[in-house]
Amino acid sequence: AQSVTQPDIHITVSEGASLELRCNYSYGATPYLFWYVQSPGQGLQLLLKYFSGDTLVQGIKGFEAEFKRSQSSFNLRKPSVHWSDAAEYFCAVGPHTGGFKTIFGAGTRLFVKA
Amino acid sequence: EAGVTQFPSHSVIEKGQTVTLRCDPISGHDNLYWYRRVMGKEIKFLLHFVKESKQDESGMPNNRFLAERTGGTYSTLKVQPAELEDSGVYFCASSRDTQSGELFFGEGSRLTVL
Repeated sequence: AQSVTQPDIHITVSEGASLELRCNYSYGATPYLFWYVQSPGQGLQLLLKYFSGDTLVQGIKGFEAEFKRSQSSFNLRKPSVHWSDAAEYFCAVGPHTGGFKTIFGAGTRLFVKA
Repeated sequence: EAGVTQFPSHSVIEKGQTVTLRCDPISGHDNLYWYRRVMGKEIKFLLHFVKESKQDESGMPNNRFLAERTGGTYSTLKVQPAELEDSGVYFCASSRDTQSGELFFGEGSRLTVL
């Protein structure tokens, strides 16, 4: 069955520290992979996506993610976290062709301490 | 350009009552999706419209849920009669096409059934 696992329900990091949010997926075909962020009072916003090519993708707000096919992972990273990064982060996977039904993980809530 | 808007932002109803949620997608986006997140779990797909046609409604929980998109513009999601387990956040998203992969989300409508 297709699924996305985000093993960390919440993570707390200090401002300025590095961040890595984990994501593992189960998908039968070549997937589209996404990271979305939901800040308080806002809708989900796309941070970055991977379709093909370079397995290290850059996104907005200084985020990057690396696709590792052998590990079925698509972890999100940021070298230095800012207080404004406090939000909930969702990893997602979608089909490569035709139709569209994005499957989301349960989310990881990021807390940033001063 | 206006984003995806949803109304109401929060609705509290009694079990057995009816609620109608509305979504206005981004102008020009033919694809409209409804998702639901229950109790901090995964964001789950409900259905997908292409213009006024239901492309995929495999995620609709049961026949108490009715989605419409008359004229291919805004969409409504009606729950009748509401049950306790219907509580959650209902997200609407839109996209211009299905190949880019990116979904544009509204802020969600939080439904509480008492």
